[in-house]
Amino acid sequence: AQSVTQLDSQVPVFEEAPVELRCNYSSSVSVYLFWYVQYPNQGLQLLLKYLSGSTLVKGINGFEAEFNKSQTSFHLRKPSVHISDTAEYFCAGLSTGNYQLIWGAGTKLIIKP
Amino acid sequence: ETGVTQSPTHLIKTRGQQVTLRCSSQSGHNTVSWYQQALGQGPQFIFQYYREEENGRGNFPPRFSGLQFPNYSSELNVNALELDDSALYLCASSSGQGKYTGELFFGEGSRLTVL
Repeated sequence: AQSVTQLDSQVPVFEEAPVELRCNYSSSVSVYLFWYVQYPNQGLQLLLKYLSGSTLVKGINGFEAEFNKSQTSFHLRKPSVHISDTAEYFCAGLSTGNYQLIWGAGTKLIIKP
Repeated sequence: ETGVTQSPTHLIKTRGQQVTLRCSSQSGHNTVSWYQQALGQGPQFIFQYYREEENGRGNFPPRFSGLQFPNYSSELNVNALELDDSALYLCASSSGQGKYTGELFFGEGSRLTVL
């Protein structure tokens, strides 16, 4: 079955500390991979995407992600978080069947002052 | 550039009723897709419309139906509402069609509560 798994439902981290949000995808999901962010009471916004090429992808707001084919992972990282990064982060992959996005369940990033 | 707008933002219905949710796509976008996001879960794909025709559907029953209009605005209709239909319904527009429709631009959603 096609699936995208986000391993942590919540990640608490101190302000200015680094953070990694983990995402694994099943081998039947295509390697078009995405991270979206959902701020409180807002819609989803694209952070970054991997379609091909360099395995290190840089996105908005200082976030980056690394595509790892052997580990079927696409983890999101930021070297220093800010209170404004408080949000829910969703990993998604493009289905090889109907070319629609398959979403993970989301990870809430909680910034501690 | 006008973003994706959805209405209403919140609504409450009772079991068995019908609901219509509306979405205005971002300017220049010809593809719209609808997602259901239950509390604590990721979005689930309902269906997609391209140039007024449904061209993709997720695992939702026929009582979930939609329309796309010539101006690329869209409606999601749900008949015979059930308690489990309570969720945030998200509309997303994009400018491609086919294997990869490109970046999805989301509205802020319509939160439906079914009592």
